[in-house]
Amino acid sequence: EVQLVESGGGLVKPGGSLRLSCGASGFTFSSHTMNWVRQAPGKGLEWVSSISTTGSYIYYADSVEGRFTISRDNARNSLYLQMNRLSAEDTAVYYCARGLGVRVILAAIDYWGQGTLVSVSS
Amino acid sequence: DIQMTQSPSTLSASVGDRVTITCRASQSIGNSLAWYQQKPGKAPKLLIYQATTLQSGVPSRFSGSGSGTEFTLTISSLQPDDFAAYYCQQCISSPLIFGGGTRVEIK
Repeated sequence: EVQLVESGGGLVKPGGSLRLSCGASGFTFSSHTMNWVRQAPGKGLEWVSSISTTGSYIYYADSVEGRFTISRDNARNSLYLQMNRLSAEDTAVYYCARGLGVRVILAAIDYWGQGTLVSVSS
Repeated sequence: DIQMTQSPSTLSASVGDRVTITCRASQSIGNSLAWYQQKPGKAPKLLIYQATTLQSGVPSRFSGSGSGTEFTLTISSLQPDDFAAYYCQQCISSPLIFGGGTRVEIK
């Protein structure tokens, strides 16, 4: 069974930093592009970032480019999101999500974690 | 960036109704479109990918059509479990923009 479990969310002050982690199991982690998608309270889905199987291809939404860094450790079956210079607009549930298909760089998302809440407030 | 416009934003329907949701891309994306369903407090669920391919385990009352810039998600006979929010997403190029969402409500 595919499982994605996020951790690392919490309350942080504006300008602060946070690192999200996602542990994956039940599939060959190194064969799938991985993504972060967020959802602000009461709002729609917003794609944040994607990383290809080896990390050779990395993409960011304009809203986080230069502040967020996605990375992965295939040996640990883990995905990360380092978030710096956080603002209230970054308050959201952050989902770790698997890309559909093996070794496809950009694709639909076929599995999602349960999400972790990041709140940015003074 | 490719923009995705979804309509309507809210839809009121009854059990048994045929429901159609539209998603328009600002430029051609071929068939690189996915549809998701999301219920309150839950993660989204993939329904359809590559515009027309039903994800494993998704009921056959869901179908997708279209290519290029115009896409449709159809629910042939709305069931109580289908009242939820629906999102489209283009999957051809970064940024992987989602549509604004359609909330399907009970009439």
